[in-house]
Amino acid sequence: DGGITQSPKYLFRKEGQNVTLSCEQNLNHDAMYWYRQDPGQGLRLIYYSQIVNDFQKGDIAEGYSVSREKKESFPLTVTSAQKNPTAFYLCASSPLSTPNYGYTFGSGTRLTVV
Amino acid sequence: SQQGEEDPQALSIQEGENATMNCSYKTSINNLQWYRQNSGRGLVHLILIRSNEREKHSGRLRVTLDTSKKSSSLLITASRAADTASYFCATDALAAGNKLTFGGGTRVLVKP
Repeated sequence: DGGITQSPKYLFRKEGQNVTLSCEQNLNHDAMYWYRQDPGQGLRLIYYSQIVNDFQKGDIAEGYSVSREKKESFPLTVTSAQKNPTAFYLCASSPLSTPNYGYTFGSGTRLTVV
Repeated sequence: SQQGEEDPQALSIQEGENATMNCSYKTSINNLQWYRQNSGRGLVHLILIRSNEREKHSGRLRVTLDTSKKSSSLLITASRAADTASYFCATDALAAGNKLTFGGGTRVLVKP
């Protein structure tokens, strides 16, 4: 079945440590997105990519980095510069060639600073 | 950045009742979408309504869009306990580079 896979489901980070969240899709979607969700809140866009080897900052990119070396993969690194990384991270994808199409989301990674 | 805002923030109803939630936004849109999120899970796309549409149905869901008021509503008819979730509206606008901007969500509790 086609879909988006995020791993790991739970991740614990020590102070000053970089961690990388994985996002893989087999939907052949062009665009991929990373969102952050804090408890009881909506989603805020961190980074997005519409084509391989290109990505743009979203509303809260500081302290995060991404890469898009393959169409299927869009990993997110939470760096030590992100001072409050504890949150639920969601990856999504969408086709660009089909207008008015909803996003497909992964099941999320819950990151906790210990 | 533009953001949809849902109202109410939380809603508690009995099974079998209808649930209505509203979304307001600020700038012109291409389309508006509704998503459901079960606790601790990813979002699931429910329905998309284009800016030139006024009403859309999908099963027990009914969505309306009033572009003059910049608002939308989601109606869930004959609710079930399984409808317990958070519901988010998201807007797709040229001004936002065709990226979705999400509201804060409405938390719906359907009591059996």
